[in-house]
Amino acid sequence: TQLLEQSPQFLSIQEGENLTVYCNSSSVFSSLQWYRQEPGEGPVLLVTVVTGGEVKKLKRLTFQFGDARKDSSLHITAAQPGDTGLYLCAGATPGTYKYIFGTGTRLKVLA
Amino acid sequence: SAVISQKPSRDICQRGTSLTIQCQVDSQVTMMFWYRQQPGQSLTLIATANQGSEATYESGFVIDKFPISRPNLTFSTLTVSNMSPEDSSIYLCSVVTAGAHEQYFGPGTRLTVT
Repeated sequence: TQLLEQSPQFLSIQEGENLTVYCNSSSVFSSLQWYRQEPGEGPVLLVTVVTGGEVKKLKRLTFQFGDARKDSSLHITAAQPGDTGLYLCAGATPGTYKYIFGTGTRLKVLA
Repeated sequence: SAVISQKPSRDICQRGTSLTIQCQVDSQVTMMFWYRQQPGQSLTLIATANQGSEATYESGFVIDKFPISRPNLTFSTLTVSNMSPEDSSIYLCSVVTAGAHEQYFGPGTRLTVT
């Protein structure tokens, strides 16, 4: 069974601080996605990384896919209250379009 | 991207009854999936909804409990049968277009079983 462990599970920080969320597995994924989910809504796709070692930036968010395509990280610079939410990583099982979701990181940014 | 709607958005049901959730997409998509998200937790894949054939279920989920239909490329239903309080969750449908590494979610259906 493929598992995606995220750390930390919870994170509460002050506005302006930086943070990194990790997504780790012992399995190889063909691609990996990061989502943010707010209460009462479905997850919203932030980014997809496909190539081992790939780095993508989305404004203050930097995403990296591990060289072996087993892990990923999300770094947020100068966090803002609007970044508050549940962050989920999801890995695609090779040869399928099925995604296994990580355990989630609940972020709260205090003003 | 794809725009996905779900009905109902929420419901409160009595144990032993069944509820059918609808998922409608604004464009033809190859893959449709159903997920469950229990309170405070991440998403668990229930099944892949296959057009015109039986859904493919993940370990721990069975057709008798979660029958799924997908009559065309834009619509699917999930039924939660013989409900118990443990079925209280958010149920989400998602779509993936073949060749695209992108998955889009509906807003979810919040189910409470009393």
